[in-house]
Amino acid sequence: KNEVEQSPQNLTAQEGEFITINCSYSVGISALHWLQQHPGGGIVSLFMLSSGKKKHGRLIATINIQEKHSSLHITASHPRDSAVYICAVGDTGNQFYFGTGTSLTVIP
Amino acid sequence: KAGVTQTPRYLIKTRGQQVTLSCSPISGHRSVSWYQQTPGQGLQFLFEYFSETQRNKGNFPGRFSGRQFSNSRSEMNVSTLELGDSALYLCASSRQPPGTGRSTGANVLTFGAGSRLTVL
Repeated sequence: KNEVEQSPQNLTAQEGEFITINCSYSVGISALHWLQQHPGGGIVSLFMLSSGKKKHGRLIATINIQEKHSSLHITASHPRDSAVYICAVGDTGNQFYFGTGTSLTVIP
Repeated sequence: KAGVTQTPRYLIKTRGQQVTLSCSPISGHRSVSWYQQTPGQGLQFLFEYFSETQRNKGNFPGRFSGRQFSNSRSEMNVSTLELGDSALYLCASSRQPPGTGRSTGANVLTFGAGSRLTVL
């Protein structure tokens, strides 16, 4: 049983396209994190959400608590956005669950 | 400001040995959490420490243990290594535990570069 499901698993986009990555979860959450992992392993935290919407540059993250769903949007995608994007949730029991990640490739 | 430092970055062990990995968090961060990443299982939560106390633990056998010191530095230990323990071990620090509900920024995670363990 996967507490966190991400889609799509793989995504290829042309530079400039608008990208959406989806995350659905089945547990009651305290917080949801969007992470970015580049080749070589380094992980960067993009957003931490418990409600609503956040924006940072070309990245937007939204969460719908009632529907147990979050989305990560990338506007005007660029090849440097190519990475694996991972959704993670902290549940109300202090456990932490990860999605399997979405591998994004942006072609110039 | 220095980031999260993990040592060693790479290590090779043989089955049956034990290993200790170290994580130095960002100054002022009292929460340190540990994760295992493998190609087959992806990222999995190991455990989380806050102010020297283990707050929660993931679904791993007792061979995996950890501790946190008064200066917030943390170590994790894996005893009786198995081939399947080969993985990238990541730690992350934050001011407050990552599962804390309030979106104040205090629970945003900063990850270290990881320790890549190979078990032969």
